[in-house]
Amino acid sequence: DAKTTQPNSMESNEEEPVHLPCNHSTISGTDYIHWYRQLPSQGPEYVIHGLTSNVNNRMASLAIAEDRKSSTLILHRATLRDAAVYYCILRVGLASGAGSYQLTFGKGTKLSVIP
Amino acid sequence: NAGVMQNPRHLVRRRGQEARLRCSPMKGHSHVYWYRQLPEEGLKFMVYLQKENIIDESGMPKERFSAEFPKEGPSILRIQQVVRGDSAAYFCASSPDRGPEREQYFGPGTRLTVT
Repeated sequence: DAKTTQPNSMESNEEEPVHLPCNHSTISGTDYIHWYRQLPSQGPEYVIHGLTSNVNNRMASLAIAEDRKSSTLILHRATLRDAAVYYCILRVGLASGAGSYQLTFGKGTKLSVIP
Repeated sequence: NAGVMQNPRHLVRRRGQEARLRCSPMKGHSHVYWYRQLPEEGLKFMVYLQKENIIDESGMPKERFSAEFPKEGPSILRIQQVVRGDSAAYFCASSPDRGPEREQYFGPGTRLTVT
């Protein structure tokens, strides 16, 4: 899978928006951008994914740059429960419809939420 | 809907014993993935299985580790003759198919401690 780069850590105040950046300059046209998070002592949890257009769901929003070389995960109002390690992961999509199935986790961004 | 279930949640084994970790995927999911998270390290893919078939075991250690996903019952990750270096959290994930646009749903993990 193509490489992603994320800041090691970020802080946010509770109830404020959080923008978590991810660079993926070697992304291919068919690669999907996925975000997962892992709360302390828990398994990873799917957050959101997208291909080209911005995406919204009940947990977060995903803003994808026009050239797709970067993306930003947006938590609209951080809560203490959002304190976790956030992983930006590219999943290879092939023109044939197949693609990578494993998730390749990097170090992620450790988000701390200050009450 | 019940999520991905793993048991046991905690497992203590002495060096040389066998460890069996079980994973029941979400209802309707026939694709199972195992990941390992060593202390202070990131998650690493181990093996990908579909019902009765191992599709990719490129992340599995060459010796002592095996996995299966029988037609009936949970997926099993088996570690023979455990050593201290096997102490880790083992996570199972499932998905309804393998497409790169598909999210994977993770279980709570089994924390293996080898004494």
